[in-house]
Amino acid sequence: EPEVTQTPSHQVTQMGQEVILRCVPISNHLYFYWYRQILGQKVEFLVSFYNNEISEKSEIFDDQFSVERPDGSNFTLKIRSTKLEDSAMYFCASSWGPYNEQFFGPGTRLTVL
Amino acid sequence: AQKVTQAQTEISVVEKEDVTLDCVYETRDTTYYLFWYKQPPSGELVFLIRRNSFDEQNEISGRYSWNFQKSTSSFNFTITASQVVDSAVYFCALSENQFYGGSQGNLIFGKGTKLSVKP
Repeated sequence: EPEVTQTPSHQVTQMGQEVILRCVPISNHLYFYWYRQILGQKVEFLVSFYNNEISEKSEIFDDQFSVERPDGSNFTLKIRSTKLEDSAMYFCASSWGPYNEQFFGPGTRLTVL
Repeated sequence: AQKVTQAQTEISVVEKEDVTLDCVYETRDTTYYLFWYKQPPSGELVFLIRRNSFDEQNEISGRYSWNFQKSTSSFNFTITASQVVDSAVYFCALSENQFYGGSQGNLIFGKGTKLSVKP
């Protein structure tokens, strides 16, 4: 069964460093998303991506964040200068259509020290 | 104001009990979609169900059932004969369309209900 994959599973970084979180969405899906979940809290939307451009972004997704689909399979989230409050689980998701069910990857736990 | 409210923070039941998880949503759209996701202790988010606003039929899938009532803006989830493996955090989520400036498919999650099923 096709699934969304994410790498790495855990990333530890120093404050101020850049990180890139990687995702491989399900191959025939067209819509891609990043969400984050601070420990013990709800899942929050960051950004959606369709047709090689950002469809929507939340107020969390400020200038420190960027997304890219560098090739036909990968979907990346970059945080340019990490802050302590960026520590969270980051989930990638994909769906066939904008209102279809989204399938989530296993997440990348980002720890900023 | 929260768009998705899961008032039950934690529920604890004994195996084989039935349990209902509540979800109340708020939207101005006439077309919207509701979802339930399960997050077991391992942390992944597992899709359970999607309903659109025009389909109010209740749905049953094995021990799981869902009760969608537009009149009360609720989409409740019942687990019959609960099992230890049902222990997880369950999230209800809403996806609005863009008519009132809503997001294209982005999921708005509730805070989740942590279900503990004890043997």
